Amino acid sequence: TQLLEQSPQFLSIQEGENLTVYCNSSSVFSSLQWYRQEPGEGPVLLVTVVTGGEVKKLKRLTFQFGDARKDSSLHITAAQPGDTGLYLCAGTYNQGGKLIFGQGTELSVKP
Amino acid sequence: GAGVSQSPSNKVTEKGKDVELRCDPISGHTALYWYRQSLGQGLEFLIYFQGNSAPDKSGLPSDRFSAERTGGSVSTLTIQRTQQEDSAVYLCASSHGTASYEQYFGPGTRLTVT
Repeated sequence: TQLLEQSPQFLSIQEGENLTVYCNSSSVFSSLQWYRQEPGEGPVLLVTVVTGGEVKKLKRLTFQFGDARKDSSLHITAAQPGDTGLYLCAGTYNQGGKLIFGQGTELSVKP
Repeated sequence: GAGVSQSPSNKVTEKGKDVELRCDPISGHTALYWYRQSLGQGLEFLIYFQGNSAPDKSGLPSDRFSAERTGGSVSTLTIQRTQQEDSAVYLCASSHGTASYEQYFGPGTRLTVT
């Protein structure tokens, strides 16, 4: 049973386009993190959201935590080739607890 | 300071042999986590240490897998009698434990069992 459903799993777009990645669950999480991973490297933390309805922005990336803390989205505006990579959402039930990962979204941005 | 480091970066072993993977967490981080990333299964939790104790070992797939942490710092993940299905990237992460949600990952060890 996949506790965190991430979609889409693959996304190939042109430079300049916008995109949204979704992360959904039937469980309530205390926090949700978004990571980006490049080939041969470990995941790099992008953001942590902890409050229902919270919105955080990181340059062209906007992260939102659902009001019920069961879902999250990542929106990228005007995607660039440097955004290419694997994006992972991960939830945790408590501080210090294990991360439960979604399947990941493989993003390819073509120039 | 330095981030999480792992060694070796790559390990090729024959089926049936034992392997040890090492993780050196960020200085001052009390919590340490092991995860496994494989093509079919994504990223899966294996075990979590708070200090030297392991309150959550629920992700270890079989009794061939064990881990220890000494001095509240370095951790070793041991896989005995390796099988081909153990081939994966083993990732280590550390955090401030119960004071934080954020976990910071090392580069991983790619294990190939032939």
